[in-house]
Amino acid sequence: EAQVTQNPRYLITVTGKKLTVTCSQNMNHEYMSWYRQDPGLGLRQIYYSMNVEVTDKGDVPEGYKVSRKEKRNFPLILESPSPNQTSLYFCASSSFGGVTYEQYFGPGTRLTVT
Amino acid sequence: LAKTTQPISMDSYEGQEVNITCSHNNIATNDYITWYQQFPSQGPRFIIQGYKTKVTNEVASLFIPADRKSSTLSLPRVSLSDTAVYYCLVGASSNSGYALNFGKGTSLLVTP
Repeated sequence: EAQVTQNPRYLITVTGKKLTVTCSQNMNHEYMSWYRQDPGLGLRQIYYSMNVEVTDKGDVPEGYKVSRKEKRNFPLILESPSPNQTSLYFCASSSFGGVTYEQYFGPGTRLTVT
Repeated sequence: LAKTTQPISMDSYEGQEVNITCSHNNIATNDYITWYQQFPSQGPRFIIQGYKTKVTNEVASLFIPADRKSSTLSLPRVSLSDTAVYYCLVGASSNSGYALNFGKGTSLLVTP
């Protein structure tokens, strides 16, 4: 089954404790992306990657890191989480190079930083 | 990156046709227009995409005028299950970079 998986689905952590949210897709997609969703602010892009070792900032990259060492994986790293990073996070992927950018989204990770 | 403007919310009754318009005045030549649907606590789901004129699939229609500065998503005969947030997306081409801007979307409420 074609899918994007994220882990963990729920995470409660404390300020300053480094964490990683994993994202994996099995569709051989080139493009992968991370979003955060907050009430009243819609869906905002954090980082995206056009292929292995190619990443770029989205709208709200501050406080986040990403890496793309393998095509299927795109982890999101919070080196020193703060309460303002409490949010719902989505990973997405899509094929690249065609005319369509139909993105497939993961189930989301709800992060709470206390 | 092309900015989009949509109504924040819309209400409709079951069985009616719903049209959601998105404004994108600075759309680039190679940009496509894509619409997504999102239910609470789920990731957005692709609905339809187009470049110009009209596109129709089993779920919706997308109308794009000649100047491409706006687009309208049309949902025929909505049901309660169409209650969701709808996002208009413009971009993802070499002209406008590959960042994607979902914006705040339009919250559609369908009632009996």
